[in-house]
Amino acid sequence: EDQVTQSPEALRLQEGESSSLNCSYTVSGLRGLFWYRQDPGKGPEFLFTLYSAGEEKEKERLKATLTKKESFLHITAPKPEDSATYLCAVLTGNQFYFGTGTSLTVIP
Amino acid sequence: KAGVTQTPRYLIKTRGQQVTLSCSPISGHRSVSWYQQTPGQGLQFLFEYFSETQRNKGNFPGRFSGRQFSNSRSEMNVSTLELGDSALYLCASSLDWGQSPAYEQYFGPGTRLTVT
Repeated sequence: EDQVTQSPEALRLQEGESSSLNCSYTVSGLRGLFWYRQDPGKGPEFLFTLYSAGEEKEKERLKATLTKKESFLHITAPKPEDSATYLCAVLTGNQFYFGTGTSLTVIP
Repeated sequence: KAGVTQTPRYLIKTRGQQVTLSCSPISGHRSVSWYQQTPGQGLQFLFEYFSETQRNKGNFPGRFSGRQFSNSRSEMNVSTLELGDSALYLCASSLDWGQSPAYEQYFGPGTRLTVT
């Protein structure tokens, strides 16, 4: 059964304290892996797409990497405005599967 | 370029009623997908429409249905509402699921449905 698991569920960081969020997946026929950011009361905001193992994408303080079984979202020197829920999704043949997200809080 | 818009933003309905939600995709996007988001289940895929045809469907009962118009706007209907249908309903648009990099989905702000 296709499955996406994110860890940890919640993460509290001090401002400037770097860390990583994990997204592990078990799917047949991965067509792409996606990272989104969701703020309370809003729809998810697209961040990155990764298509194959070894691929990396960067945007400001965020860097996403992909292996054959998991993806990491690395957050370098986070700021309070990075506080949000980060969602991971995978696209298989005909459907997107989302993880339940990691709620990140960055404390000033 | 305008983003994905959804109307209404908030709805309160009573059990047994039906509801219709609307989604206008980004201009040029032909694929529209619908998701249900709840605290316990996260985002769950309902269905996807492309060129007025339902192309993919998730595991939801037949009470959940949708359609897409020739201008790519989409509507989702839920009949005989149940308490468990209370959720944030999100619409996402993309160029096309079928070809990279068109996989990328862009979400609207959602419609918050409360069933009492």
